[in-house]
Amino acid sequence: GNSVTQMEGPVTLSEEAFLTINCTYTATGYPSLFWYVQYPGEGLQLLLKATKADDKGSNKGFEATYRKETTSFHLEKGSVQVSDSAVYFCARAGGGNKLTFGTGTQLKVEL
Amino acid sequence: GAGVSQSPRYKVAKRGQDVALRCDPISGHVSLFWYQQALGQGPEFLTYFQNEAQLDKSGLPSDRFFAERPEGSVSTLKIQRTQQEDSAVYLCASSFLGNEQFFGPGTRLTVL
Repeated sequence: GNSVTQMEGPVTLSEEAFLTINCTYTATGYPSLFWYVQYPGEGLQLLLKATKADDKGSNKGFEATYRKETTSFHLEKGSVQVSDSAVYFCARAGGGNKLTFGTGTQLKVEL
Repeated sequence: GAGVSQSPRYKVAKRGQDVALRCDPISGHVSLFWYQQALGQGPEFLTYFQNEAQLDKSGLPSDRFFAERPEGSVSTLKIQRTQQEDSAVYLCASSFLGNEQFFGPGTRLTVL
């Protein structure tokens, strides 16, 4: 079935460090791919998405490129801030647009 | 309000009790989804409505779980005879015809 695998956390970085959170998905068709973020005490928010191969989603300095050849959608940011501390979820769309999520990666950014 | 709202935000139930969780989607959103999020895990799909029609209930873990959306707007997720393994955060999301899903804050259910 559909599945999403993302790197385990927590990931702890210093402010202004480069961030990569790996995500791979099962290659059944060409699903839309998403990154959601959950800030402390808040609900899930869509961070970015890509709907077809080679698309790059971007928002708030975060980027992820839909790589069909490696079935990956890694999240990157060039310079993280303390305010980026949150849990990040990679997800793929399935039939009826229901989402399959990874287990989440907690990011902690320290001064 | 402009977003998806859920109530109650927190619910404590004794094992064997029935619970009902409510979701108010964004006005005009046709699609409504329920997800279950266990501690430390990602959300898992439970069921999906398009208007009042329940098109997919493949994720409901047992026949103790029942969802409805009788008028195509507000939805209720009911869990009968709750068990400890039902303890989780229950998330509702709505979208307009397959576009971005907007999530509510969730209901944290604790079964003692």
